[in-house]
Amino acid sequence: GAVVSQHPSRVICKSGTSVKIECRSLDFQATTMFWYRQFPKKSLMLMATSNEGSKATYEQGVEKDKFLINHASLTLSTLTVTSAHPEDSSFYICSATSGQGDVDTQYFGPGTRLTVL
Amino acid sequence: GQNIDQPTEMTATEGAIVQINCTYQTSGFNGLFWYQQHAGEAPTFLSYNVLDGLEEKGRFSSFLSRSKGYSYLLLKELQMKDSASYLCAAMDSNYQLIWGAGTKLIIKP
Repeated sequence: GAVVSQHPSRVICKSGTSVKIECRSLDFQATTMFWYRQFPKKSLMLMATSNEGSKATYEQGVEKDKFLINHASLTLSTLTVTSAHPEDSSFYICSATSGQGDVDTQYFGPGTRLTVL
Repeated sequence: GQNIDQPTEMTATEGAIVQINCTYQTSGFNGLFWYQQHAGEAPTFLSYNVLDGLEEKGRFSSFLSRSKGYSYLLLKELQMKDSASYLCAAMDSNYQLIWGAGTKLIIKP
């Protein structure tokens, strides 16, 4: 149980285009989903927390107009990187919790490697 | 401030035992997580401790001392597939995870 999928796994795009990444909980309802960014050999950096049906909470320094997050249902959250630039190239990972308690284990999707040319 | 410290890299031999330490300082504490991350992949959950003591799960065990702000992950009978980064993360009073930078474990034959 507790499987999270992410799509696409890899994407290469031109500078200035927008890229949408989907995160789905396959066998549970995810009341809360998290979006992380990870640079090579670095730890995870939390970008935002999203709860189903409400606006995402962004971490300090993360541009909400550039990284659009939509948590449309209990099994799907999307991250759209708008007007992508080479510095947005990174490994983006989502995680989800079932929200059955305050202390919930986060289950991670496989990640999306974004390369902006 | 909030901080997690763990060694950057460790090397061990196949079949041996290795202990990866983690110290934390957080605003409040709601438990400590260990995750395994293979290169190029997302983290996978290994363990969660909120009470003092040792939790054993197969070849992997995790220990917590709340008074010392200290945890360790113990890996026994090391296998080559255990080569990965091991991430320590403490949950603060707001139930936010504070992540360590990860310990890269290299297993040699």
